[in-house]
Amino acid sequence: LAKTTQPISMDSYEGQEVNITCSHNNIATNDYITWYQQFPSQGPRFIIQGYKTKVTNEVASLFIPADRKSSTLSLPRVSLSDTAVYYCLVRASTLTFGKGTMLLVSP
Amino acid sequence: DTEVTQTPKHLVMGMTNKKSLKCEQHMGHRAMYWYKQKAKKPPELMFVYSYEKLSINESVPSRFSPECPNSSLLNLHLHALQPEDSALYLCASSQDYSRGETQYFGPGTRLLVL
Repeated sequence: LAKTTQPISMDSYEGQEVNITCSHNNIATNDYITWYQQFPSQGPRFIIQGYKTKVTNEVASLFIPADRKSSTLSLPRVSLSDTAVYYCLVRASTLTFGKGTMLLVSP
Repeated sequence: DTEVTQTPKHLVMGMTNKKSLKCEQHMGHRAMYWYKQKAKKPPELMFVYSYEKLSINESVPSRFSPECPNSSLLNLHLHALQPEDSALYLCASSQDYSRGETQYFGPGTRLLVL
């Protein structure tokens, strides 16, 4: 089973770039890596998805090395509203969310 | 319309009650999911429906009974629940049940079992 490992929490300040790394050593050949954001008492919201190399959209970038055993979510210039829990999800035999990273952005 | 709706938003029920949670999407998605989320924990997958058929049951107790009446609607019937079943119940949908699917989540139903 692909199990993911993320830091439990991270702190940052407004305007900084934040990088959150997820380890997934047992990722299968055709699994995608997906990141979600969740605010308290809300459902997770899709941020970005990738298979290999680099993917960028209007809110984030996702870096995936050649061995695909990890991935890094990059949030440029965070704001207070980016304070949330971030989950990486790797599809294995079942859809298992990692424990999530609580990002706290301070003024 | 990229929205998944869930009703009710909040539900309080006794251990002898029967209640149902409802989820609806109009994105033409053919896969729908139920998750359970306890406080400060990640969502845990309960059920997956693909093309209106139950594809995955993650060994969920029989007091939770899912139903997919049509491709847009997903229900979760609750009966004889325990206090430890109190949680946020999330519904999600995706284009189909494949490895690259993006899931769209509803806001959840906050359930309290007394």
